Amino acid sequence: QVQLQASGPGLVKASETLSLTCTVSGGSISSYYWNWIRQPPGKGLEWIGFIYYSESTNYNPSLKSRVTISLDTSKNQFSLKLSSVTAADTAVYYCARELWEHGAGYGMDVWGQGTTVTVSS
Amino acid sequence: SNELTQPPSVSVSPGQTASITCSGDKLGGNYACWYQQRPGQSPVLVIYQDTKRPSGIPERFSGSNSGNTATLTISGTQAMDEAEYYCQAWDSNTAYWVFGGGTKLTVL
Repeated sequence: QVQLQASGPGLVKASETLSLTCTVSGGSISSYYWNWIRQPPGKGLEWIGFIYYSESTNYNPSLKSRVTISLDTSKNQFSLKLSSVTAADTAVYYCARELWEHGAGYGMDVWGQGTTVTVSS
Repeated sequence: SNELTQPPSVSVSPGQTASITCSGDKLGGNYACWYQQRPGQSPVLVIYQDTKRPSGIPERFSGSNSGNTATLTISGTQAMDEAEYYCQAWDSNTAYWVFGGGTKLTVL
C-alpha cells in the first residue's frame, strides 16, 4: 500500500526558507494530486497547495506569494518550499495524496505522519 | 477566519447519534469531505464527495450536503470515535481547498 513520509529540518530561522520533501513509497506518483497541509500547534488544518503529476500547481491564495511545490518523478518525491518564514509558520506539516476524476476530488486518502517545523527568531 | 463554520464541540452518549455541521457559501454546488483526527495522529478521510465512504470506514459514518450546509452523522457512536473532525470543500472560484475550523467530538 502507498505510504508517504515527510522529512526536512525541524528548525528554521525566521526570514529563511522552509524546505520539506515527501517520499512516496509503494505506488506511483502518476495520476494523483500531491498536497501539503499544515497544522499550527493546537489549531486546525490549513491547505498549502498541491501539484499534479503533470507538474501543474495550485496554491492557497494566502500563501501563494511564498510557496513553491515541485515534483521529482525519478525519486517519487514532491517538495515544499516556503520562503520568508515567521513564527506563524510554526506547524506540523503533512503531505497527502488525492485523486481527481471528471473534475471532482475524491478527498485526501493517504497522509504522511507529519513533520514538525519550528521557526526560531 | 474560517470560510467553513463548524461548531467547536459536540457531545454524545455512547450508542447515540452524533451530527456535526459545516456551513459556508463554498459548499453550495461543491462537494464536501470529512476527516477524523485523533490526538497526535494524522487525519483520516471518513467521507468524500458528500456521502461516500472510503474503504475501511465503518458504515456508521455517513454524510450529506444540502444548500450551504454539509453534515457528518455518526450512528451508534463508539468511544473510539472521540476525535476532532474537519470538513473540507473546494472553492471552485479561486481553485483551492478550504478546511473548517474543526469540531471536537466527545463521547461521554
